[in-house]
Amino acid sequence: KAGVTQTPRYLIKTRGQQVTLSCSPISGHRSVSWYQQTPGQGLQFLFEYFSETQRNKGNFPGRFSGRQFSNSRSEMNVSTLELGDSALYLCASMTGERNTGELFFGEGSRLTVL
Amino acid sequence: AQSVTQPDIHITVSEGASLELRCNYSYGATPYLFWYVQSPGQGLQLLLKYFSGDTLVQGIKGFEAEFKRSQSSFNLRKPSVHWSDAAEYFCAVGAGIPMFSGGYNKLIFGAGTRLAVHP
Repeated sequence: KAGVTQTPRYLIKTRGQQVTLSCSPISGHRSVSWYQQTPGQGLQFLFEYFSETQRNKGNFPGRFSGRQFSNSRSEMNVSTLELGDSALYLCASMTGERNTGELFFGEGSRLTVL
Repeated sequence: AQSVTQPDIHITVSEGASLELRCNYSYGATPYLFWYVQSPGQGLQLLLKYFSGDTLVQGIKGFEAEFKRSQSSFNLRKPSVHWSDAAEYFCAVGAGIPMFSGGYNKLIFGAGTRLAVHP
């Protein structure tokens, strides 16, 4: 079974630009969540989607948004990039149904904002 | 509100020595607890998890953890460390929306403990 796939793995943007990151969950997993990882703040929850609905959102500004498609693939978007948005963005999936909250993580998309 | 504390930011051990990484959580009910490991440039891999039952849980790569409700702790242990165990370790507690058949839909992570292994 293929794992969680994130694209792109690395990207460099400049302040003010926007970025879209993509995540394909494990086949059969209907829940996708996103986390931001930085050296200063650690791992922070961004949002979680299940069956195309956002069920939970972390404490991030409105510049951070996401969506989920009918095939469970998800994208997150960050608009008007700031230097502080430089981070590793991790996507995780779980079944969302008969599960015990175990998340399966992708390898992440490393965003550098210059 | 749920929270997780990992008191040790860095730990260095010699190869073959025993290891214990500390984790304390704050949660009202029976927590769903996890340990994840992250190698440089990689995502997080689940080592083990605890939901109920036996308080000593076994995981992958020879790791185990013990849930102690009275101490609000979930410490990770390994009897003999290998050089390949050098990585960052994260303790996490389930939070957010309770799922119908158990668990929650998000995790709150501790700050992590970076493990270095000396030959």
